[in-house]
Amino acid sequence: SYELTQPPSVSVSPGQTASIICSGDKLGDKYACWYQQKPGQSPVLVIYQDNKRPSGIPERFSGSNSGNTATLTISGTQAMDEADYYCQAWDRNTASYVFGTGTKVTVL
Amino acid sequence: QVQLVESGGGLVKPGGSLRLSCAASGFTFSDYYMSWMRQAPGKGLEWVSYISSSGSPIHYADSVKGRFTISRDNARNSLYLQMNSLRSEDTAVYYCARASGHTSGWYWGQGTLVTVSS
Repeated sequence: SYELTQPPSVSVSPGQTASIICSGDKLGDKYACWYQQKPGQSPVLVIYQDNKRPSGIPERFSGSNSGNTATLTISGTQAMDEADYYCQAWDRNTASYVFGTGTKVTVL
Repeated sequence: QVQLVESGGGLVKPGGSLRLSCAASGFTFSDYYMSWMRQAPGKGLEWVSYISSSGSPIHYADSVKGRFTISRDNARNSLYLQMNSLRSEDTAVYYCARASGHTSGWYWGQGTLVTVSS
């Protein structure tokens, strides 16, 4: 089965840039999405199709995807961005939606 | 506004059954793909099952194949998940989600908790 791997945690200072990576075999050949989940809340889509932002998502969230790695970048990180972040892709070979292992972003 | 409201969760014994429902409003339900996702306590996100806008095709995660059945009623703007032969590892918050395509990302409901325990 297809797998997506993320680092368990990332720490960032307020105002700095946080980068969260998602690794998977030939992930660049698929489209990647990213979700933000705060404690006790449902996941919220922040990036789809590698680099598109849904309506209402701040411009400080951006994405890229190439080779075996997709990256979510949070520029000018704010305290409100502290959350768990999950990548996700559609694997047409197995007709399944695959989630990454999740990364906890801490704003110190 | 878009709303997805799950119901039907609760406590069930191992081997038991439960039927989850998701009531959709604020959008044209029949235009969207729908899925069930879940999250075990303190764990990550897991996709469970998908159904296309018309009701076919349907796909399942290997962990639930043969035990869970997804269905939808476009006339009632509702999505369902029939869960049979439940196991302790099925304990999770179950979310209903919609998407306009395989790569467009998912919009999630608030979730309903399913606890499988004797």
